[in-house]
Amino acid sequence: SQQGEEDPQALSIQEGENATMNCSYKTSINNLQWYRQNSGRGLVHLILIRSNEREKHSGRLRVTLDTSKKSSSLLITASRAADTASYFCATDAWGNQFYFGTGTSLTVIP
Amino acid sequence: DAGVIQSPRHEVTEMGQEVTLRCKPISGHDYLFWYRQTMMRGLELLIYFNNNVPIDDSGMPEDRFSAKMPNASFSTLKIQPSEPRDSAVYFCASLQGPPGTEAFFGQGTRLTVV
Repeated sequence: SQQGEEDPQALSIQEGENATMNCSYKTSINNLQWYRQNSGRGLVHLILIRSNEREKHSGRLRVTLDTSKKSSSLLITASRAADTASYFCATDAWGNQFYFGTGTSLTVIP
Repeated sequence: DAGVIQSPRHEVTEMGQEVTLRCKPISGHDYLFWYRQTMMRGLELLIYFNNNVPIDDSGMPEDRFSAKMPNASFSTLKIQPSEPRDSAVYFCASLQGPPGTEAFFGQGTRLTVV
């Protein structure tokens, strides 16, 4: 069964704007990761946040984690056309399985 | 390292035929995962291995699906007999433990069963 659910399912913004997508999960986790998938390609790891962390930054990415609400958000600042992709959160709850959400499809309009 | 390598990239087969998907994980990685991606169901974890041993195959949809990892550098996912509803993109991913580390994905195999 899938652990994470992202919302919105689809997001369309203008280049330069910020994009925020959210992930909710069902059970306690060890960590949460965000991945990007370009059309027709495999997933690429973006950032990992551990259950004892609340916020993490990597370049234009900012991830927050609220374990009390079982939710995470991914913020992409100053978006670019190259950020157009699907974004997935992944959680590991029982050992090393990674369960992925349904993804947010982001379109950045030049 | 060339990353996780999957073959073939595309496979078209007729219903009832046997299909074998292949994966070469990154050298030194001790975990290997097989996922299936469809529009309707998203990314589903089918099975994962640790040190070549299957740990959890609860995601394998039915007995028509089987997976093996005969050594640390090779894994196969077999569907026999294949059905049109098996059409999907199948991904292999590997990572180096301990738990909670980055997983590396292959480019996927797009399977079409007609």
